[in-house]
This record gives sequence, C-alpha cells and structure tokens, in this order.
Amino acid sequence: NAGVMQNPRHLVRRRGQEARLRCSPMKGHSHVYWYRQLPEEGLKFMVYLQKENIIDESGMPKERFSAEFPKEGPSILRIQQVVRGDSAAYFCASSPREGARTNTGELFFGEGSRLTVL
Amino acid sequence: GDSVTQMEGPVTLSEEAFLTINCTYTATGYPSLFWYVQYPGEGLQLLLKATKADDKGSNKGFEATYRKETTSFHLEKGSVQVSDSAVYFCALSGGTGRRALTFGSGTRLQVQP
Repeated sequence: NAGVMQNPRHLVRRRGQEARLRCSPMKGHSHVYWYRQLPEEGLKFMVYLQKENIIDESGMPKERFSAEFPKEGPSILRIQQVVRGDSAAYFCASSPREGARTNTGELFFGEGSRLTVL
Repeated sequence: GDSVTQMEGPVTLSEEAFLTINCTYTATGYPSLFWYVQYPGEGLQLLLKATKADDKGSNKGFEATYRKETTSFHLEKGSVQVSDSAVYFCALSGGTGRRALTFGSGTRLQVQP
C-alpha cells in the first residue's frame, strides 16, 4: 500500500515563475493537508482539502497561493510569481474521512517537495 | 487558538543518556496529542500518540504521557542511540474541532557516540 506520494521532490524556479507541487494521498484517504516548513523551522499549516472542496485555508497566504483537490487526480499546490521567501519544503499529508473506522486522528506525511527560488 | 510549545534545541546527548523533550500545549476542548520524528531529508513519521488524559503513548523505547492538569506531553527515552538523531515535533489535533494538526517548532536531537 503506497504512502503519500509527492512530486517533484526538488524544484528550482526563478523569481516570477510558477511552481506546481503535486500530492497523491494514501489509498483510501480522502483528506489532504498542505504544510510549509521554512529552513530550521517547524511546520506551518496552509490548507486542508477534501475532494473538490477547500475545508480550511486559514494558513494560506492571500495572494499567489492556491490549492485544489479535484475529483480525479492528485492535489495541487500552486504558487504563482514565486519570490525568494517561498523557498521551503512543502509537505503534504493525508487522512481517512471523518468517522471512518481507520481514522485515528493521525496524519500520514509524504517526503516533501523542496522548492528553491533563485 | 491552539498552540504547542517545545523546548528549543539542539539537544546534544551521549549515547545511552536519558532523554526528555518538553512539550506543553494550549487548546480548548479535548485534543489528541502526537510526537512525530523527522530524519534528515525525509518527511515526518508518527512516533507515538495519546488521545485522552492520562494515556501513555509508547514506541521504539520512547514514551509520553498526556497530562491534562499540566497541559503537557513530554517525550522521554531511557537510553538514546546515535540512530535517534533527528528532529522531534510535538503536535495536537481536534482542540477546537480543527482537523489539521498544530505543530510545535521542533527540537533537534543530536546523539554522539
């Protein structure tokens, strides 16, 4: 049973370009979370999505950042017009749906996508 | 809102020393508490968890007890190994009905041979 899959693992962009990060949740999971980890810092919550719905985006910057989790395919975190301050590791996590027997409150993390903005 | 406070690192210990990493939290309601570990260049892995007061989570020699009266969830291990060198994150969920985990800032542990 594959875990949470993120790609690309490493992404280099120049200032002003767009970055797209993808996340496929674990099989059977319908909730996806995105976190950002700046160098030598903890994880900051960005957004929580279910299929075709954004449930909580309280941690998302108001501009340039967007996220989606379509009915088919992976979740996408999109950063437009990147700046140097966007350089970070972006982690995706997934969990089963609320109320599922397998839902223990735990989040399962991918290995992260490391964005470097030149 | 919910918050988690961890002791600052790095914590440097010799092999076989006793480890304590302090974690306290602020939350309304009845959160679940977690410790995650992050090895260099990798994602986070769940180390242990506790879902209600007085529960003790344990795994790989690590333990933590959910203390509601002191709002704490300190991580302990009796004898650390070099392979335990990593960053440890304390986290909570569900305090205010929020599904996402709230993380502490992480504590880096370095174990020397």
